[in-house]
Amino acid sequence: DTGVSQDPRHKITKRGQNVTFRCDPISEHNRLYWYRQTLGQGPEFLTYFQNEAQLEKSRLLSDRFSAERPKGSFSTLEIQRTEQGDSAMYLCASSLGTLTTDTQYFGPGTRLTVL
Amino acid sequence: SQQGEEDPQALSIQEGENATMNCSYKTSINNLQWYRQNSGRGLVHLILIRSNEREKHSGRLRVTLDTSKKSSSLLITASRAADTASYFCATDAFGGAQKLVFGQGTRLTINP
Repeated sequence: DTGVSQDPRHKITKRGQNVTFRCDPISEHNRLYWYRQTLGQGPEFLTYFQNEAQLEKSRLLSDRFSAERPKGSFSTLEIQRTEQGDSAMYLCASSLGTLTTDTQYFGPGTRLTVL
Repeated sequence: SQQGEEDPQALSIQEGENATMNCSYKTSINNLQWYRQNSGRGLVHLILIRSNEREKHSGRLRVTLDTSKKSSSLLITASRAADTASYFCATDAFGGAQKLVFGQGTRLTINP
């Protein structure tokens, strides 16, 4: 399978715990994105990387959230001291990074439930 | 910030009929993309239309773009039960960052 993969697919945690999600993009895709989707809503942008550089972060990404892409390949998204409001689907996407047309391909998502 | 808004929010039709969904956005864009999402799953890319294009086809899908009205439509012809899903339009800002801005989606149900 050469698509975007995410791990784990589901995560249940207690409030106050830390969680970390992983995303493996399509090979040779330079750009990697994180989005969050709550029930009944469209995805909302969190952050994106061009290779290993994090170029933009949404205001949705509070200090409790941190994302890395250390070698320009896979990425991790960590949430510290989780809150019930963090419960959502966390989606990762990747794209080639061409100048004009830049289709983003999404992974299956990690569904987080904070009890 | 710009935002795509889909209309209608929910659509229910009989198998074999055509389904039309509309999307409006607020600011100038580079591209507009349509995605499908089955319940609780990831998003599947359907089609991308550039800001200088007016119409694009892919199989049973037809997308139009009217930049003067800042709107797009997605037509699915000869619908099938497997088309049941949520459909989202997503835009990226002209000259801006690469993030996509999604609407709330249209929930399409195809009745057998």
